[in-house]
Amino acid sequence: DTAVSQTPKYLVTQMGNDKSIKCEQNLGHDTMYWYKQDSKKFLKIMFSYNNKELIINETVPNRFSPKSPDKAHLNLHINSLELGDSAVYFCASSQSPSTDTQYFGPGTRLTVL
Amino acid sequence: AQSVTQPDIHITVSEGASLELRCNYSYGATPYLFWYVQSPGQGLQLLLKYFSGDTLVQGIKGFEAEFKRSQSSFNLRKPSVHWSDAAEYFCAVGEYSSASKIIFGSGTRLSIRP
Repeated sequence: DTAVSQTPKYLVTQMGNDKSIKCEQNLGHDTMYWYKQDSKKFLKIMFSYNNKELIINETVPNRFSPKSPDKAHLNLHINSLELGDSAVYFCASSQSPSTDTQYFGPGTRLTVL
Repeated sequence: AQSVTQPDIHITVSEGASLELRCNYSYGATPYLFWYVQSPGQGLQLLLKYFSGDTLVQGIKGFEAEFKRSQSSFNLRKPSVHWSDAAEYFCAVGEYSSASKIIFGSGTRLSIRP
């Protein structure tokens, strides 16, 4: 029944490792997003895909690579993790990249040691 | 560039009291405005949104917000808060084009006094 799901919910890893976060939506939406929420709760968009095509790529280090195998999935792979990558990462989806409501997943708390 | 300011970092109100959370935006055209709520350990849930029309918008859980163009504000209100309203509240403005995105404010944490 979950509309937007993310795995894992928690991720603890060492600096320099590579990790992935998966996101799936069962709403039939065309557009998906990744957001980063820092320790001060500031929420900022990272990427957006529409119909599996990248449409937003904010100034994110190229260690972050999103991949959308199909419209229902948007995964986030992070190479060479750094301490500053520690944050909560939220996936979201909307019907289209316009004025539609965005539906958020529960978040993945990433801690880099 | 678009921006959203939530001047109150943390607000505490008594249960049953009225609530107003402030939000000011900067946007060149008619804005698309949102209020989201984030409960502890949860994702964000849309409370309400304004695109056009009636400037007083009704949302879920008894919340409402009023768009005031002259003041560049979109304040969130609730006449009587419940303990379950304790959460983080985010105001956001939509930047819409072929690659639309939402700009979030820094959030206001609401605590409820029993």
